[in-house]
Amino acid sequence: GQQLNQSPQSMFIQEGEDVSMNCTSSSIFNTWLWYKQDPGEGPVLLIALYKAGELTSNGRLTAQFGITRKDSFLNISASIPSDVGIYFCAGRRIQGAQKLVFGQGTRLTINP
Amino acid sequence: EAGVAQSPRYKIIEKRQSVAFWCNPISGHATLYWYQQILGQGPKLLIQFQNNGVVDDSQLPKDRFSAERLKGVDSTLKIQPAKLEDSAVYLCASSLDTGPGEQFFGPGTRLTVL
Repeated sequence: GQQLNQSPQSMFIQEGEDVSMNCTSSSIFNTWLWYKQDPGEGPVLLIALYKAGELTSNGRLTAQFGITRKDSFLNISASIPSDVGIYFCAGRRIQGAQKLVFGQGTRLTINP
Repeated sequence: EAGVAQSPRYKIIEKRQSVAFWCNPISGHATLYWYQQILGQGPKLLIQFQNNGVVDDSQLPKDRFSAERLKGVDSTLKIQPAKLEDSAVYLCASSLDTGPGEQFFGPGTRLTVL
């Protein structure tokens, strides 16, 4: 089953608002990734984090790799209609296989 | 640069029938992944290939699912026989190597089993 707890499951916001979502795990991860998936498409990588404490931005998106290596968050500033979609966190564990484990996703809906 | 290609995009079959999906990764990408994404969930890895060898198939239901990547380029995933719970989107992804490199996803094949 899923090993990453992503919250919130859904968000309904007004255009222009800031958005924050996070992902937590009981296990340590050595890589955190944030993806966005539009309907009928595969996930697209937004931000990749490789070091604990790392803070990385991509335009209006900012993500951080938690110091404990067990969490990460994604912030979107000044949301616009094209930000609508499902956001997934994904992690790669230190121990075990190098495969990616995905969270359940956060569905973002924006009211214009 | 062309992305990951998958076909078909949609497939509807009845339970106990067989189905196959095809994936062509990004040129030069050694690693290929097949994921299953059930509605409302994140993708779950089914199998990972490095060139034409299997790296991880621990979550592949081997009694009914099979996958191959004979020439180390494109790949097929087969389900035989299909069950109702196999209804999902099957995503293919590729990356340059097995390390912390980026995985690029295809558009997926949406399978409906009736």
